[in-house]
Amino acid sequence: AQSVAQPEDQVNVAEGNPLTVKCTYSVSGNPYLFWYVQYPNRGLQFLLKYITGDNLVKGSYGFEAEFNKSQTSFHLKKPSALVSDSALYFCAVRDLGSGNTPLVFGKGTRLSVIA
Amino acid sequence: EPEVTQTPSHQVTQMGQEVILRCVPISNHLYFYWYRQILGQKVEFLVSFYNNEISEKSEIFDDQFSVERPDGSNFTLKIRSTKLEDSAMYFCASNRQGYGYTFGSGTRLTVV
Repeated sequence: AQSVAQPEDQVNVAEGNPLTVKCTYSVSGNPYLFWYVQYPNRGLQFLLKYITGDNLVKGSYGFEAEFNKSQTSFHLKKPSALVSDSALYFCAVRDLGSGNTPLVFGKGTRLSVIA
Repeated sequence: EPEVTQTPSHQVTQMGQEVILRCVPISNHLYFYWYRQILGQKVEFLVSFYNNEISEKSEIFDDQFSVERPDGSNFTLKIRSTKLEDSAMYFCASNRQGYGYTFGSGTRLTVV
């Protein structure tokens, strides 16, 4: 069975500082990894995804994520945080080797960027 | 860019009543999903649907839930007899095999 862990419920960072939101995953085959963002009272907005290729994936709004197979991690990063980045971030995984299995989400990490 | 459309955006219903949540997936997508999110918490898988039948469902998706694609464009989630704990945000999503999901903006269901 596939699973995702987001070990931090909350991440606080000062505006202009780099941010990292952590994610580790578990799948039996190869992972298909995603990050989504949710602003208050809004839906899930796609940020970026990894299937194959470069381990560093660039996405929307200046975010990027690094796939690390040996550590089974897919941490979300941004070099310089903005107050407007404050939101709930979800990591999600699918097992590529199991047909069209559903996407499984982590519990979410609330990012707070302080001016 | 194509979107998944969900209606209504907010529904209030009395406990025990039936509700139908509606979704229009992206037209060339073949796989459809319902997820729910209890306020501010984890996004949980409910059910996936392909080729006019359920392909997978979670333990949350019990006999009070049903899905159908009545007319080739809409994809609906029916909750037969709502309970207070069904209050949540319900998200519809669709995709083509091997591609990422596109989510709708959600329906906030409030059971009173």
